[in-house]
Amino acid sequence: ILNVEQSPQSLHVQEGDSTNFTCSFPSSNFYALHWYRWETAKSPEALFVMTLNGDEKKKGRISATLNTKEGYSYLYIKGSQPEDSATYLCAFRGEILTGGGNKLTFGTGTQLKVEL
Amino acid sequence: ETGVTQTPRHLVMGMTNKKSLKCEQHLGHNAMYWYKQSAKKPLELMFVYSLEERVENNSVPSRFSPECPNSSHLFLHLHTLQPEDSALYLCASSQDEGRETQYFGPGTRLLVL
Repeated sequence: ILNVEQSPQSLHVQEGDSTNFTCSFPSSNFYALHWYRWETAKSPEALFVMTLNGDEKKKGRISATLNTKEGYSYLYIKGSQPEDSATYLCAFRGEILTGGGNKLTFGTGTQLKVEL
Repeated sequence: ETGVTQTPRHLVMGMTNKKSLKCEQHLGHNAMYWYKQSAKKPLELMFVYSLEERVENNSVPSRFSPECPNSSHLFLHLHTLQPEDSALYLCASSQDEGRETQYFGPGTRLLVL
């Protein structure tokens, strides 16, 4: 059974604060690490797909880093805004030898609330 | 419509009912997925279809029966469910190659009484 853990479970920050959270995943048989943003009553929205050790990706005020050797990824939000309030999910894909489909194992998410 | 759509958005059913959830993707993808999310648990993969063939059945009870008639449509047929099956059911699609992103629908919130 694959173990994908995210911390913290929830986070309250003030508008303008920068914040970061962690996704831990198995360091063996790594294939890809996905980050999603999920607002209440909406569909999860893809942020990044990270594949190489040392990868850094950026989308506006959100960025992510990847360390496949030690099995973790960080997501950073710079200058948080109320519209950043959402649950941030990471999902691990390990290498598979047979079969098809893009099987992802998700963490439980970090719930971010940005207050005025 | 664009993206991935799911109907209905909300469903209440008794344990003896039979109902179906529908998912449609307008992205030209060749893989589709059903996920379940229960309270305080991670998204749990239930079924994967690639090129309309089922390639994964993640130890899901037989009271859940998927159907993929073509690459754009995916159904989840429900019968004799239990109250513990109450959850959010999400559909997703992707290209079945490499490290492709999955695109999700908004989900069906199911309550089994």
